[in-house]
Amino acid sequence: EPEVTQTPSHQVTQMGQEVILRCVPISNHLYFYWYRQILGQKVEFLVSFYNNEISEKSEIFDDQFSVERPDGSNFTLKIRSTKLEDSAMYFCASSEGGTTTGELFFGEGSRLTVL
Amino acid sequence: AQKITQTQPGMFVQEKEAVTLDCTYDTSDPSYGLFWYKQPSSGEMIFLIYQGSYDQQNATEGRYSLNFQKARKSANLVISASQLGDSAMYFCAMRDVRGYQKVTFGTGTKLQVIP
Repeated sequence: EPEVTQTPSHQVTQMGQEVILRCVPISNHLYFYWYRQILGQKVEFLVSFYNNEISEKSEIFDDQFSVERPDGSNFTLKIRSTKLEDSAMYFCASSEGGTTTGELFFGEGSRLTVL
Repeated sequence: AQKITQTQPGMFVQEKEAVTLDCTYDTSDPSYGLFWYKQPSSGEMIFLIYQGSYDQQNATEGRYSLNFQKARKSANLVISASQLGDSAMYFCAMRDVRGYQKVTFGTGTKLQVIP
């Protein structure tokens, strides 16, 4: 069964460092997303990406964040200068689009710890 | 703006009993999709069930059913014959189907199944 894969599963970084989280969405999917979940809290939308551009972003997704689809398979989230409050689980998701159920398929998450 | 409300932060259920997890939503869009996801302690997000706003019948997937009451804007998840493995966090979520944009999550309900 196709799945969304994320790397790394866990990253520890120092405050102020740049971090890149990587995702490989399901190959025939057209819509890509990043979500964030601070420990024990709700799952928060960060950004959606379609047709090689951001289609929507939340207020959390400020200038410190960027997304890129550098080739036909990877979808990355970059945090330029990490802050303590960026510590969270980051989920990548993708969906097929069209007239399907619109189910989001989630990766297993990348846990970011900022020290 | 979309809004999802889950008023039960935690629930207990006896093994083999049925349990209902509440979810209400608010949207001005006539076309939307409703989801339930399960998040076990390992952290991954597992899709359980989907209900489209125009679907005539309540969705069912094995032991999961979605009690969709459109006029009341509720989409409760019913788990029949609870199993110990059902102990997890459960998130209700909503999506604007037309835009295929973000999915908005509720705050979640932590379900614990008691032997």
